Amino acid sequence: AQRVTQPEKLLSVFKGAPVELKCNYSYSGSPELFWYVQYSRQRLQLLLRHISRESIKGFTADLNKGETSFHLKKPFAQEEDSAMYYCALQETSGSRLTFGEGTQLTVNP
Amino acid sequence: DTAVSQTPKYLVTQMGNDKSIKCEQNLGHDTMYWYKQDSKKFLKIMFSYNNKELIINETVPNRFSPKSPDKAHLNLHINSLELGDSAVYFCASSPHISGANVLTFGAGSRLTVL
Repeated sequence: AQRVTQPEKLLSVFKGAPVELKCNYSYSGSPELFWYVQYSRQRLQLLLRHISRESIKGFTADLNKGETSFHLKKPFAQEEDSAMYYCALQETSGSRLTFGEGTQLTVNP
Repeated sequence: DTAVSQTPKYLVTQMGNDKSIKCEQNLGHDTMYWYKQDSKKFLKIMFSYNNKELIINETVPNRFSPKSPDKAHLNLHINSLELGDSAVYFCASSPHISGANVLTFGAGSRLTVL
């Protein structure tokens, strides 16, 4: 069965510092991977997905199949980046989207 | 226009009661979902429907019964509520059942069982 692990429940950085939110997965097939974000008092929304290979709000994520990782990175964190971040894996054969436990990012001024 | 709307937003009720949460999407999506977010913010899928057909049914107690009258609606009915049912329930929809699907979430319904 597929599994997504986010080892850090809480992550705190200062504004302007680099930030990396870790995500590891286990899945026997070829996965589709996503990062979703939930800002305070807002609904969960897509941040980025690996097939798009895009940078959203300065965040990037590279799929590393050798290490089965999909870490989310930003070189200079901003206070408005403070939110709950979820890594998610989708089976290629179906609609099941499995979320990691989430990482609460706090960016301090 | 809200793409995925859930009602009610907050629900406080006593143990043993029966309650329903409604969800509607106006995106024309084929697939809808119910997720449960517990007190530790862990998100777990409960059900998935594709064009009114049940596709995913995780290990959820029989007290939870989803109903999809049409592909734009997926309601969740919970019988004999228990303390452990307290959580935030999120409805979501996606264009298709497979492929690199992007889910659009509702704002969540916070259920508190006393």
